[in-house]
Amino acid sequence: EAGVAQSPRYKIIEKRQSVAFWCNPISGHATLYWYQQILGQGPKLLIQFQNNGVVDDSQLPKDRFSAERLKGVDSTLKIQPAKLEDSAVYLCASSPMAGIRETQYFGPGTRLLVL
Amino acid sequence: GNSVTQMEGPVTLSEEAFLTINCTYTATGYPSLFWYVQYPGEGLQLLLKATKADDKGSNKGFEATYRKETTSFHLEKGSVQVSDSAVYFCALERSNDYKLSFGAGTTVTVRA
Repeated sequence: EAGVAQSPRYKIIEKRQSVAFWCNPISGHATLYWYQQILGQGPKLLIQFQNNGVVDDSQLPKDRFSAERLKGVDSTLKIQPAKLEDSAVYLCASSPMAGIRETQYFGPGTRLLVL
Repeated sequence: GNSVTQMEGPVTLSEEAFLTINCTYTATGYPSLFWYVQYPGEGLQLLLKATKADDKGSNKGFEATYRKETTSFHLEKGSVQVSDSAVYFCALERSNDYKLSFGAGTTVTVRA
């Protein structure tokens, strides 16, 4: 079974530029998560989708971050414009369902450096 | 609120040494507790979990026991290998909405 796929793996941009990350969850998984992992810290949830609807985006900085999952499968996370403090690893995870105890499966992450 | 505090690293060990990584938590309700591992260049993988007090999770020679009285979930392995070099994250799953809260991670390096 293929795992969670993410691309690109690395990205370097200058502040005020835009960047987008892509995630393809495990086939059949209804729930998709985006996490931000700043160096030296644990992952922090940014947004959670159930199929193509947003379940929780309370921690997403909506003035610059946006995410979509239009067909309920893959997802894109965008930052526009980027700030220095956005330098982090962005992790995507998926699970079969939400609202019950299901293991989350994580992708390899996209490492972003903002200069 | 819900939070996890784990031992700061980095931790450097020799092969076959005993490893322990401390983890304590603060939570409302009855959370589930997890250890995730992140090998170099890979995503987080679930290592083990425990869903209620006194449960012991185990996998790949690692163990952790859910201690409600001390609000702890310490990770242990009796004899580490070089392949155990990774970053280890303690996490709790909130009992009301099943969201994960992670500790800061502990980097473990095992030398041959």
